[in-house]
Amino acid sequence: AQSVSQHNHHVILSEAASLELGCNYSYGGTVNLFWYVQYPGQHLQLLLKYFSGDPLVKGIKGFEAEFIKSKFSFNLRKPSVQWSDTAEYFCAVFFPIYNQGGKLIFGQGTELSVKP
Amino acid sequence: NAGVTQTPKFQVLKTGQSMTLQCAQDMNHEYMSWYRQDPGMGLRLIHYSVGAGITDQGEVPNGYNVSRSTTEDFPLRLLSAAPSQTSVYFCASKTGLAGNNEQFFGPGTRLTVL
Repeated sequence: AQSVSQHNHHVILSEAASLELGCNYSYGGTVNLFWYVQYPGQHLQLLLKYFSGDPLVKGIKGFEAEFIKSKFSFNLRKPSVQWSDTAEYFCAVFFPIYNQGGKLIFGQGTELSVKP
Repeated sequence: NAGVTQTPKFQVLKTGQSMTLQCAQDMNHEYMSWYRQDPGMGLRLIHYSVGAGITDQGEVPNGYNVSRSTTEDFPLRLLSAAPSQTSVYFCASKTGLAGNNEQFFGPGTRLTVL
C-alpha cells in the first residue's frame, strides 16, 4: 500500500537555526510531491510542489525541497528559520492509479516550534 | 472564484445522529476528495471522486458515505455519528488533467461528536 512517512514528529529550534524535515514514501513509479504548512488555527497552505524536472524545488517563504528518486525522499529545508515559521508541516505524495485518478496521501506531520 | 467551500464551519452532534458535510467547488474540477485531520495522524483520505457518478474509497472510509451527482458538489454523509468521528474535515479538488495533481483545499469543518 502507498504510504508516506515523516521522521520527526516535533522539532524545536532557535531562530536562525537551519531546518531539515525528512519525508519518505513507498512507491517506485512516478509521483507528485508536496509540502504543506498549517499555521495555528489556520487551514492548509501549499509551500512547494514537485511534478518533474529540476529535483531542487524552491517554494514560498524561503523554503526548498530536494527530490531524491533513488531514496524515495523529498526533504524540506530552510537555511534560517524565524519565529513565524512555527507551524505544522505535512509532506504529501500523489500516487497515480491507472484509470482511477489516484490518491494524495499525507505523512503524519511535523510540529515545528521556533524559539525567539 | 470562491474556490473550495465547506459548510458548516463547526458542528456538534450526539452519538447516533446523522448529518451531511457540504463541499462545493467552482473551478470545474473533475477530482474531489475528503480528508479527516487528527492530531499526530496527519490528514487521512476518506473518499474521493474522479468525476460525476464515480467515487472510490480512501484510507479510512468506514462510517462515511459519499455521492457525486454533479461536478461541483461532493457531500460527505455520516449516517450514525460516533465519538471516533470527532475530527476536522477537509474537502479538496483538482483538475482531472494528467500530471497536474495539485489539490486545492477548503477551510475545513470542525466536527465534535458527544
